[in-house]
Amino acid sequence: QPVLTQSSSASASLGSSVKLTCTLSSGHSSYIIAWHQQQPGKAPRYLLKLERSGSYNKGSGVPDRFSGSSSGADRYLTISNLQSEDEADYYCETWDTTGVFGGGTKLTVL
Amino acid sequence: QVQLVQSGAEVKKPGASVKVSCKASGYTFTSHGISWVRQAPGQGLEWMGRISAHNGNTNYAQKLQGRVIMTTDTSTSTAYMELRSLRSDDTAVYYCARGDWGFDYWGQGTLVTVSS
Repeated sequence: QPVLTQSSSASASLGSSVKLTCTLSSGHSSYIIAWHQQQPGKAPRYLLKLERSGSYNKGSGVPDRFSGSSSGADRYLTISNLQSEDEADYYCETWDTTGVFGGGTKLTVL
Repeated sequence: QVQLVQSGAEVKKPGASVKVSCKASGYTFTSHGISWVRQAPGQGLEWMGRISAHNGNTNYAQKLQGRVIMTTDTSTSTAYMELRSLRSDDTAVYYCARGDWGFDYWGQGTLVTVSS
C-alpha cells in the first residue's frame, strides 16, 4: 500500500502563491492522487486529480487559482493569488486495494 | 446538481450500533461507487471502505473488518454504513463520498458521538 506524506503546516501571505507537496512512498511514484480542501467546520471538497505526468483534472467550480504539477514521487498543489478563504486543511488521497489519505497540511493565510 | 445528503447526528452508548444513511441525487446512482471516510475530533481523514452501487461489492479498511457493513438501496439511491460494537474512539464525523477514490462529491457529514 502506498503511503502519502505531507507537511503538517504551511503559511503564505494574502495575494501570494503557495505550493503544497504530497510525496508518494517508494515504489508508488506512478500513482495518480487527488487533492481535497477542508475549510474549518466544513466537509472536504474535491479540488483535482493529478497524474505523474503533471496532467490534472479539476472539479466543478474549482477556481483557476488552483493547479497541480508533479515531479517524480512528488505531487504538488499550487494556489495562486491566495485569498482568506483558502485558509484550510489540504489532503492528498490515492487508492490501491484500499483508500489512502495523507496526514493533511494546514494552510494559514497571513 | 450532484448531492449527497446524510442523516443527522447520533449519540450512542459503547457497544451499540449506528447506521448512517447517504441519499444521492443528480446522477445515475449505479454508475459510481460510494465510499465512507471518517474524521475523529481534531484529526485527519480516515478511509473506512467503499461499496459498488452497481453490484454491491465492498472493500473495508482492515481495522474495521468485522464491525462495519456498507450497503446500498438502488430503489432510493441511498447508501448506508453500519458500525457495530461502538467504542469511544469511534466518535467522529462520518462522511460519504462519491466514487471508489478521488471522491468528487462529499456528503455534509454526520457526527456520531459514543459516550456512556
